[in-house]
Amino acid sequence: DVKVTQSSRYLVKRTGEKVFLECVQDMDHENMFWYRQDPGLGLRLIYFSYDVKMKEKGDIPEGYSVSREKKERFSLILESASTNQTSMYLCASRGTVIFPYEQYFGPGTRLTVT
Amino acid sequence: AQRVTQPEKLLSVFKGAPVELKCNYSYSGSPELFWYVQYSRQRLQLLLRHISRESIKGFTADLNKGETSFHLKKPFAQEEDSAMYYCATGGGNKLTFGTGTQLKVEL
Repeated sequence: DVKVTQSSRYLVKRTGEKVFLECVQDMDHENMFWYRQDPGLGLRLIYFSYDVKMKEKGDIPEGYSVSREKKERFSLILESASTNQTSMYLCASRGTVIFPYEQYFGPGTRLTVT
Repeated sequence: AQRVTQPEKLLSVFKGAPVELKCNYSYSGSPELFWYVQYSRQRLQLLLRHISRESIKGFTADLNKGETSFHLKKPFAQEEDSAMYYCATGGGNKLTFGTGTQLKVEL
């Protein structure tokens, strides 16, 4: 069973703070993703990574950066949090051998920026 | 660019009634299409994929290339079907999701 875990379920930060969201997967998947989920907007891709130290921008990368130093871990960084980054953040991973394109999701981190 | 349209934000049906959640896509090439579901307080999970032509929890979805649609159907709704449903299309490494439809099954 694929396990994707996220470091926090709920997080409250102040405007201007640096925020780290961590994601870990245990299935040796090459691909990892960060989305934000907002009512009425669905899931929007922020960044994804297809290998260690490799990353690509998604649809809404502004205000975010990512880090992938180890295969199992993918971090999302908000350099200076703003209130419009209040959202649910979902991490996902996907392998490249079985079931192309199926992504396995973590439980989500609900971030509130005040 | 890939695009997925789910026209209904909320669909409310009575238990035992048929369900159809609409999904239209735009994709150049041969798309991979999926339905994901998120039950209350649970993580997003794959419900079904078009390539498998499977029925999961009584749900089916047929790819209609002429209409570029991948509607999700179930003949008789159950209370436990209440959830948020997302249609998604994929190519390469990425998935593009629709905005989601909240299905509410009323008794």
